[in-house]
Amino acid sequence: AQTVTQSQPEMSVQEAETVTLSCTYDTSENNYYLFWYKQPPSRQMILVIRQEAYKQQNATENRFSVNFQKAAKSFSLKISDSQLGDTAMYFCAFMRGQYGGSQGNLIFGKGTKLSVKP
Amino acid sequence: SQTIHQWPATLVQPVGSPLSLECTVEGTSNPNLYWYRQAAGRGLQLLFYSVGIGQISSEVPQNLSASRPQDRQFILSSKKLLLSDSGFYLCAWSIQWGGLLNTEAFFGQGTRLTVV
Repeated sequence: AQTVTQSQPEMSVQEAETVTLSCTYDTSENNYYLFWYKQPPSRQMILVIRQEAYKQQNATENRFSVNFQKAAKSFSLKISDSQLGDTAMYFCAFMRGQYGGSQGNLIFGKGTKLSVKP
Repeated sequence: SQTIHQWPATLVQPVGSPLSLECTVEGTSNPNLYWYRQAAGRGLQLLFYSVGIGQISSEVPQNLSASRPQDRQFILSSKKLLLSDSGFYLCAWSIQWGGLLNTEAFFGQGTRLTVV
């Protein structure tokens, strides 16, 4: 069975600085996808970034980027130039690829609460 | 564009009462639909998913059930609520394009259920 671990329950960062959130996962699959979701106080789950396991290049979305280390099964999220609006819970999630019988089910970590301080 | 609606936003129900949470998706056809639960201090756990009308798969044994009476409607139910059913319930959808699973899941705004 796949598992996702986020070892940092809470983190804080000063506005405009950079912060990295950690995520590790365990799977025997070779075809899968990894995601970071953001859940602000409104509780709406918002996709931040995704990574296909077959791609060696790390995904980037504006101020958000990942460090995907497939052999180490590590998938960290870097937030550059942190903004007050980045304050939220961040969840790392895993999904098996379609050829693994996936129906799009996501396996989530327990989340990291990020606070951006002015 | 596609949208997902989930209601009610909050609900307080006594132990032993029935439950019905509804989720509808607009702007797409034949989506995969999901119900997740988020307990306090924990991540999201998949409860049910559906790949088509009347097709429901359960991921964990529980006091809840799900139904999909229409293509874009997904309902979470219980005949008798337990205190342990309290939590934040999220509906989500994803879609297949040309037989390939679109990897992005879109979430509703959630329902906070408190069983008292």
